Amino acid sequence: RKEVEQDPGPFNVPEGATVAFNCTYSNSASQSFFWYRQDCRKEPKLLMSVYSSGNEDGRFTAQLNRASQYISLLIRDSKLSDSATYLCVVTYSSASKIIFGSGTRLSIRP
Amino acid sequence: AAGVIQSPRHLIKEKRETATLKCYPIPRHDTVYWYQQGPGQDPQFLISFYEKMQSDKGSIPDRFSAQQFSDYHSELNMSSLELGDSALYFCASSPGPNSYEQYFGPGTRLTVT
Repeated sequence: RKEVEQDPGPFNVPEGATVAFNCTYSNSASQSFFWYRQDCRKEPKLLMSVYSSGNEDGRFTAQLNRASQYISLLIRDSKLSDSATYLCVVTYSSASKIIFGSGTRLSIRP
Repeated sequence: AAGVIQSPRHLIKEKRETATLKCYPIPRHDTVYWYQQGPGQDPQFLISFYEKMQSDKGSIPDRFSAQQFSDYHSELNMSSLELGDSALYFCASSPGPNSYEQYFGPGTRLTVT
């Protein structure tokens, strides 16, 4: 079992829809959590950090549930440009120990 | 805003050859990370440097070595290349070892034939 697991998708939703992904992690020592997005053959780009109190950035909302060891990403009013792979990232006490999930593919259709 | 720069962007080598990949971090970022991403795979951490010293090591083969220089740029040296080394190699930088936010460069696509 992978340390960080995501539903690979693909999620295929119409423009304007709300879509949510979850990511689970197995190591309770995990300290920091992030969502990255990666377009095909491009580098991962930091989307947002995830805090226990939850955080929102425009149409994007991230939540962390330490008790159940999962993080979530909610995208409201989805745009065609949101089509990408969303990577869940977990780090431990060493900033270098960063574990990527396998990513969830999202495809927004007109 | 300045981003992480990697060179070359594409590299084709033959088996058993050597390759050197370069990474120039975002200005004032002193921590550099190297990742390997195979086709359809998630990025795998290879090695990291903070203030020119190796700070952590991941799944980096013994055939690979890396270092960070006084201007904070880093080079990944790969020898005795194998077909399985074909992948995207990303460099990421962060403003310090205690900052967990990493900013990725565009990657170097290495093809070993």
